[in-house]
Amino acid sequence: SAVISQKPSRDICQRGTSLTIQCQVDSQVTMMFWYRQQPGQSLTLIATANQGSEATYESGFVIDKFPISRPNLTFSTLTVSNMSPEDSSIYLCSVENRTNYGYTFGSGTRLTVV
Amino acid sequence: QQPVQSPQAVILREGEDAVINCSSSKALYSVHWYRQKHGEAPVFLMILLKGGEQKGHEKISASFNEKKQQSSLYLTASQLSYSGTYFCGTPDQGAQKLVFGQGTRLTINP
Repeated sequence: SAVISQKPSRDICQRGTSLTIQCQVDSQVTMMFWYRQQPGQSLTLIATANQGSEATYESGFVIDKFPISRPNLTFSTLTVSNMSPEDSSIYLCSVENRTNYGYTFGSGTRLTVV
Repeated sequence: QQPVQSPQAVILREGEDAVINCSSSKALYSVHWYRQKHGEAPVFLMILLKGGEQKGHEKISASFNEKKQQSSLYLTASQLSYSGTYFCGTPDQGAQKLVFGQGTRLTINP
C-alpha cells in the first residue's frame, strides 16, 4: 500500500490567515483526494487533484478558498485561505492503492482557527 | 449521494457480534469499508467489487447485495481493538472518488 506523509499534523491559526497542508506519497499516483472531517462527522470530499491540470472541486468548495497544487505525481498541497473558526476541522489527503483498490489516507491535519 | 449507514452507534461487550449496514438509493458497483480510531486516519478494511461478493478479514467480514443496493459488515466475537467508527464508501457516479456514509460508532466494553 502507498504511504503518505502529511504535514503539519496540527496547527492553531488566527482568523484571516492561510495554512498550507502538504502530502507526499511514496509512489506515483494519478489522483489525490482532499477530504475534510469536522468533529464527530464523516469525511467530505473537497477536491480531486490531478497532476498537470486544475483540481476538480466538489459542490460547496471553491478554488479561491481551497487552492490546490499538484506539481508532480507524488506531491500535493491544499491551502485553506482567509480562515474563519468554521474552517476548524481535520483535513486529510488520500490516494487509491493499485494493489487492493482501497484508499490510503494521510495522518491528517487538525486545524483550529481562533 | 451519501450512502446511509445503520445503526449510528453500537455498544457491545467483548465477544459479542455486530452488524453494520450500508445502503444507497442508487446503483452500487462497489463498496468500501474503513475503520477509524479516535485521533487517527481511516484505515481500509476491504472492498467488495460485485454483487453477492463476500469477503473476510480475520473475524470481520462483509457482504454485498447489488440488487438491494446495500452492504453489511459483520464483526464476530468482537475484541476491544475493534472499537472505532466504521465508514462505508461508494464511488460517486462511477468515478474514483469515494462518498462516505455518516459512520457507525462501535464501542466494545470489557
